[in-house]
Amino acid sequence: SAVISQKPSRDICQRGTSLTIQCQVDSQVTMMFWYRQQPGQSLTLIATANQGSEATYESGFVIDKFPISRPNLTFSTLTVSNMSPEDSSIYLCSVKTSGIRRPYNEQFFGPGTRLTVL
Amino acid sequence: QKEVEQDPGPLSVPEGAIVSLNCTYSNSAFQYFMWYRQYSRKGPELLMYTYSSGNKEDGRFTAQVDKSSKYISLFIRDSQPSDSATYLCAMSPGGSYIPTFGRGTSLIVHP
Repeated sequence: SAVISQKPSRDICQRGTSLTIQCQVDSQVTMMFWYRQQPGQSLTLIATANQGSEATYESGFVIDKFPISRPNLTFSTLTVSNMSPEDSSIYLCSVKTSGIRRPYNEQFFGPGTRLTVL
Repeated sequence: QKEVEQDPGPLSVPEGAIVSLNCTYSNSAFQYFMWYRQYSRKGPELLMYTYSSGNKEDGRFTAQVDKSSKYISLFIRDSQPSDSATYLCAMSPGGSYIPTFGRGTSLIVHP
């Protein structure tokens, strides 16, 4: 299993500012994922953060808006830049177990960061 | 049409009721089917996963997959107020793939 912590747990920000969300995992993992969860919407994958290389972004998400850092195998940050009220959401960090002997690689989530943009 | 459809609810039931939560999907490549539970202000946690068609039981929870109908269900027997949460279905073509999630169904079990 994996235990994931996120900081901050919540924040209220002004339009046009940026917020950096931190994600810490209690074990080394190859891939970390950042999701957005908007009210009434499904979990949407923003990007996959790989240690030692550029993050891979999903359609509709760009690096200028959501820059990601992955300095080591247990830590990642997601920045929400130049925020607007449409960015109000819960942002979740996630990791997936790996191993060829597992039939299914379980996915673990952090508690989320609840962001409100005014 | 979304790949995974799930009614957001809320679904309100009395304690002790049998709860049925459902999802439909369109991608026939999906082979792994998961149910996650998410309590308020927490991240989702995996409840169960099923590979291909059939049933899987774990205590009060039963997951059912009907690939011919592209329909999955989660049954909760003897529901408890502590089961009140949002239940998200998810599915993927393989065990190492990133799953596609449904919107989640909000369940309220009242005493």
